Order: sequence, then C-alpha cells, then structure tokens
Amino acid sequence: EIVLTQSPATLSLSPGERATLSCRASQSVSSYLAWYQQKPGQAPRLLIYDASNRATGIPARFSGSGSGTDFTLTISSLEPEDFAVYYCQQRSNWPLITFGQGTRLEIK
Amino acid sequence: EVQLVESGGGLVQPGGSLRLSCAASGFTFSSYDMHWVRQATGKGLEWVSAIGTAGDTYYPGSVKGRFTISRENAKNSLYLQMNSLRAGDTAVYYCARGLYGTGMDVWGQGTTVTVSS
Repeated sequence: EIVLTQSPATLSLSPGERATLSCRASQSVSSYLAWYQQKPGQAPRLLIYDASNRATGIPARFSGSGSGTDFTLTISSLEPEDFAVYYCQQRSNWPLITFGQGTRLEIK
Repeated sequence: EVQLVESGGGLVQPGGSLRLSCAASGFTFSSYDMHWVRQATGKGLEWVSAIGTAGDTYYPGSVKGRFTISRENAKNSLYLQMNSLRAGDTAVYYCARGLYGTGMDVWGQGTTVTVSS
C-alpha cells in the first residue's frame, strides 16, 4: 500500500500570507495525485487533479506541483475562506486509492 | 445541476447489515466510475470502494468480503451493501464521482452510519 504523509499537521498563517502544504508518497505515484479541501460539516471539495490541474471553479490562487514522491499545494495569498483541512489522494496503484492524513490550515 | 444524494444510513448493531444508496442527477451516470469514501468523526478520509463503468468493483482490505458496491445505471443509482458491520465502520459515508484523471470531482453530502449495541 502506498502511504501518503502530509506535513505539517497544522499550519498557522494569517490572511494574505502564502501557504505551502506538502504531501510525500512512500513510493512513486507519478502524477496521479489530487488535493481536496474540507470545511467542518461539509464534504471534501476537489481542488487539484493529476498533481497540477485546477478543478473546475477553483481560484487561481490554488496551485499544485510535483511528481514522483513529493508534491506541494500552494495557496498564493490566503483568503478567510481558505482556512480548512486539506487532503492529498493518490491512485497510482489503481484500484487501490489512499488519502493522506490531512493538514489543518488555521488562522494565526 | 450535477448532484449526488446519499441515503440509508442509521444505527445498526455489531454484526448487522445496512444498504446505502446514492442518487445521481445532472450528468450521464453510466459514463463515470463511482466511489464510496468514509470519514469517522474527527478523522481523515478513507476510500471504501469503487465501481467502474463496466461494473468492475474494487475494495481495500479493510472492507473486502464484507462490503459490496453496485450500480443501477437505469436508475442513476449507486449502492453499498455493508454486512458484518463493526464499531470501526462507524463514519459518515460519502459517494463521489470519479474524474477521468486522478480525483473525485463531485461529492454527496454524506450519510451517517453508527454501529453500536
């Protein structure tokens, strides 16, 4: 099973700052990686698919990069609505899908 | 509007069974892989099962042999039959549409399953 490790567990930043979230895979997942945002009481929302492609309706301040084992989700300038939990997900060894444990982005 | 609506959750005793349903609308259901993903309270996301457009099914080891995913394209519906339920299966269960690439781009609001005596 491919394990995804997200860091940091919690990230404390202020609105307007840049956020950098990391997802590391235990073995190469090529570019088969997605990022989600989840707010309390809501379903996850797809942000990025195939490592670097923004999903429909996702603002340009969200970007994804990386390939192989190291991936990054960057939020260029935090808006108040961006404070949430973020998950990465891989499907490299389809049909087995795994998620990372999440990074909580909180207001400083 | 593209939408997924889950139903069928509830309280069930350990060892019992439950069948979840997911009604799809606003898109060509038969053309997409579909997934079930669960989330225990305060925990992360866990993939539970997937079904391809041809009816091929997939499960992680934690539910294989106990859960069965199925679809009925004529009714735009996805199902999850859960047997031999355990306390560890307690979670919110989401159905989600699989993107052609990596990702699930449409999610339902979730249905809560509680396994307890």
